[in-house]
Amino acid sequence: GQQLNQSPQSMFIQEGEDVSMNCTSSSIFNTWLWYKQDPGEGPVLLIALYKAGELTSNGRLTAQFGITRKDSFLNISASIPSDVGIYFCAGQKETSGSRLTFGEGTQLTVNP
Amino acid sequence: GAVVSQHPSWVICKSGTSVKIECRSLDFQATTMFWYRQFPKQSLMLMATSNEGSKATYEQGVEKDKFLINHASLTLSTLTVTSAHPEDSSFYICSARTSWDTEAFFGQGTRLTVV
Repeated sequence: GQQLNQSPQSMFIQEGEDVSMNCTSSSIFNTWLWYKQDPGEGPVLLIALYKAGELTSNGRLTAQFGITRKDSFLNISASIPSDVGIYFCAGQKETSGSRLTFGEGTQLTVNP
Repeated sequence: GAVVSQHPSWVICKSGTSVKIECRSLDFQATTMFWYRQFPKQSLMLMATSNEGSKATYEQGVEKDKFLINHASLTLSTLTVTSAHPEDSSFYICSARTSWDTEAFFGQGTRLTVV
């Protein structure tokens, strides 16, 4: 069953605001991934984290791999309307690329 | 990134019929492909993992005789939903990865509606 707890479940923000979401797990993951899914589409990888403590940026997005390897967060700065979508965290237990376990998702709405 | 293409994007079928969904890696060889199912407003749930040339490994609770997976080549995996029923209506998504890369790339998904 699902092992990742993602929060918040949904967020409603104004354009220009920063937003933060996180995932926690009761077990250790070796890789943390953050995806964005638009309606009717498959997930698109935003950021991949491979090392505990790692902080990685991709444009306005920043994600960190928790030092305990049981959590990760994603920050989006200066949000824009096209940031709307569902954001999923996902964890892998082996660096050789085993199956992904997904969080429940965070629905982000950005008001212009 | 690499491109994974699913076909069809959507399909409507009658209850009791079978539907085949294709997942192709367009510019790389996919040694492993994953099939997920996603119900509205829910997360992706892994159904099965398929390795080229071998039988798929199904997750607990997924009927292998109902969801037939074939991974006959390094660029194609198919999921066949047999004797589909309305409760099989869902969004089916595949992902594919190479043997040397940990990153898996997702297809655009297939919306299945069984009427």
